Amino acid sequence: DTGVSQDPRHKITKRGQNVTFRCDPISEHNRLYWYRQTLGQGPEFLTYFQNEAQLEKSRLLSDRFSAERPKGSFSTLEIQRTEQGDSAMYLCASSLVAGHGNNFYFGPGTRLLVL
Amino acid sequence: GESVGLHLPTLSVQEGDNSIINCAYSNSASDYFIWYKQESGKGPQFIIDIRSNMDKRQGQRVTVLLNKTVKHLSLQIAATQPGDSAVYFCAENGAGGFKTIFGAGTRLFVKA
Repeated sequence: DTGVSQDPRHKITKRGQNVTFRCDPISEHNRLYWYRQTLGQGPEFLTYFQNEAQLEKSRLLSDRFSAERPKGSFSTLEIQRTEQGDSAMYLCASSLVAGHGNNFYFGPGTRLLVL
Repeated sequence: GESVGLHLPTLSVQEGDNSIINCAYSNSASDYFIWYKQESGKGPQFIIDIRSNMDKRQGQRVTVLLNKTVKHLSLQIAATQPGDSAVYFCAENGAGGFKTIFGAGTRLFVKA
């Protein structure tokens, strides 16, 4: 499979716990993005990487959130001290440097439920 | 700030009919727009895009219309099929192409 993959697909956690999600982009894509999607809403941009460099972070990304892409391939998104408001679908996408809509591929998402 | 929004949250059409999904955007400087389809449990999938120097673009069974005067975008699906049932998002690609801003989405129901 050459698409974007995410792991896990579902995560249920208790408030206050830490969670980490993984994204594996399409192998030749050097840009990687994280989005958050709540029910009935469109995805909201969180952050993006070009290779291993994190080039932009949204104000939605509070201090409890951290994303890494240490080798310019897979990326992790960690949420510390989870809150119920963190419950959402976390989507990863990847593209080539000059990627536009038709070269912008989303993964299936990780659905997080914070109890 | 920038926003991309949709007029209707749901749309129900009969199989075989044409569907029209509308979208309004607020950033007059936007120069690139995309329509995505999202099925349950999946990430958004690219359908069709259009640049601001165009007012119409056609794909397979889909057409996107752009009216820059009123900052309006629409997606037309011809001969709608049950497999078209999904949530449709219009989106704007930000400067440099690195950030895509999505609207809230319209859920399309196709009745057999």
